[in-house]
Amino acid sequence: ETGVTQTPRHLVMGMTNKKSLKCEQHLGHNAMYWYKQSAKKPLELMFVYNFKEQTENNSVPSRFSPECPNSSHLFLHLHTLQPEDSALYLCASSQDPGSNTGELFFGEGSRLTVL
Amino acid sequence: GENVEQHPSTLSVQEGDSAVIKCTYSDSASNYFPWYKQELGKGPQLIIDIRSNVGEKKDQRIAVTLNKTAKHFSLHITETQPEDSAVYFCAASHGNTPLVFGKGTRLSVIA
Repeated sequence: ETGVTQTPRHLVMGMTNKKSLKCEQHLGHNAMYWYKQSAKKPLELMFVYNFKEQTENNSVPSRFSPECPNSSHLFLHLHTLQPEDSALYLCASSQDPGSNTGELFFGEGSRLTVL
Repeated sequence: GENVEQHPSTLSVQEGDSAVIKCTYSDSASNYFPWYKQELGKGPQLIIDIRSNVGEKKDQRIAVTLNKTAKHFSLHITETQPEDSAVYFCAASHGNTPLVFGKGTRLSVIA
């Protein structure tokens, strides 16, 4: 496997469910990101991890809980979501932690539908 | 904070014609301006970027221009091909702030 891999690719969940999205990067990068992509909106940065430490939390509701056990893996735990949370969730990685002027490598995304 | 506006939201061109997508930004401290291409079912992929110390950068059929005084930058695609059909995103940042993206432009190249 190469690049950034996200699982599952599609997820349907009820508002009371608990589920997790997983991201794995095979690029040896030190920074990982979660973005939310909704129709007709800009990509929204949710969380940033540099060297496994969370450095950015863009006022994301607590029903989204990130976890970064090591620099290659990133999870997004989902709990009691709302229908408006339905979106494509993209994971990305970059080489240089703390730099915002380097290339982001994105996964293919996890399409989440909340019923 | 930074605000990035992108126009148009949709663009249709005939194969072989040129396509131009424009973005404006608000933070004069921004110094890095990448463009990402997102094909259907895929994540965005960097296609070209420009930093504030240059006014233009080219890579084969793709070019980006930057006007720091006016705070706008543009993506130019020449000799468009069907495989150029995708959603294109501009973004802006400086070293201390994460990238801020535009809303995207859906480009359709008609054969």
